[in-house]
Amino acid sequence: AQSVTQLDSQVPVFEEAPVELRCNYSSSVSVYLFWYVQYPNQGLQLLLKYLSGSTLVKGINGFEAEFNKSQTSFHLRKPSVNISDTDEYFCAVFVTSNYKLTFGKGTLLTVNP
Amino acid sequence: DAGVTQSPTHLIKTRGQQVTLRCSPKSGHDTVSWYQQALGQGPQFIFQYYEEEERQRGNFPDRFSGHQFPNYSSELNVNALLLGDSALYLCASSLGNQPQHFGDGTRLSIL
Repeated sequence: AQSVTQLDSQVPVFEEAPVELRCNYSSSVSVYLFWYVQYPNQGLQLLLKYLSGSTLVKGINGFEAEFNKSQTSFHLRKPSVNISDTDEYFCAVFVTSNYKLTFGKGTLLTVNP
Repeated sequence: DAGVTQSPTHLIKTRGQQVTLRCSPKSGHDTVSWYQQALGQGPQFIFQYYEEEERQRGNFPDRFSGHQFPNYSSELNVNALLLGDSALYLCASSLGNQPQHFGDGTRLSIL
């Protein structure tokens, strides 16, 4: 069975500072990896995805993530955050053999002026 | 191009009642998955429907059941509601193994 660990439940950061949201996963088979953002009282929007190929993937709103197979990590980064980036972020892993998308518990990113 | 739509947006029920939630997938998608998101938690996989059949199921009791119709829309049914069933229920649609697209959810409150 697969699992996802988001190492920080909350990350406070100042506006225009860089940020990294950490995600580690566990799976005995190959996986696809995703980061989603959840706006207040809404569903989830896909930020970026890793399916195969280049380990550095770029997404919307200036976010990027790097897949590290040896460390089973998929950390999300942004070089300079905005106040509007304040939201809940979820890392997720998908196993094609069982069709399951498994989420971490989320990281609340709070950007302060 | 309409995305995933869910109805109703909010629902209040009492313990022991039954509820049906509805989902219309994004145009072109043939697979529907349902998730339960408790307050402060990540979404938990309930089950996935493909070709009108349940293809995979998470760790949820049989009180949770579903259906997929020929037009790919889906329903989630929950019987004998418990206080612990209070949550945001999310529907997601996809095509093959492509990323899932989520609706805005149904907020279910049990009194």
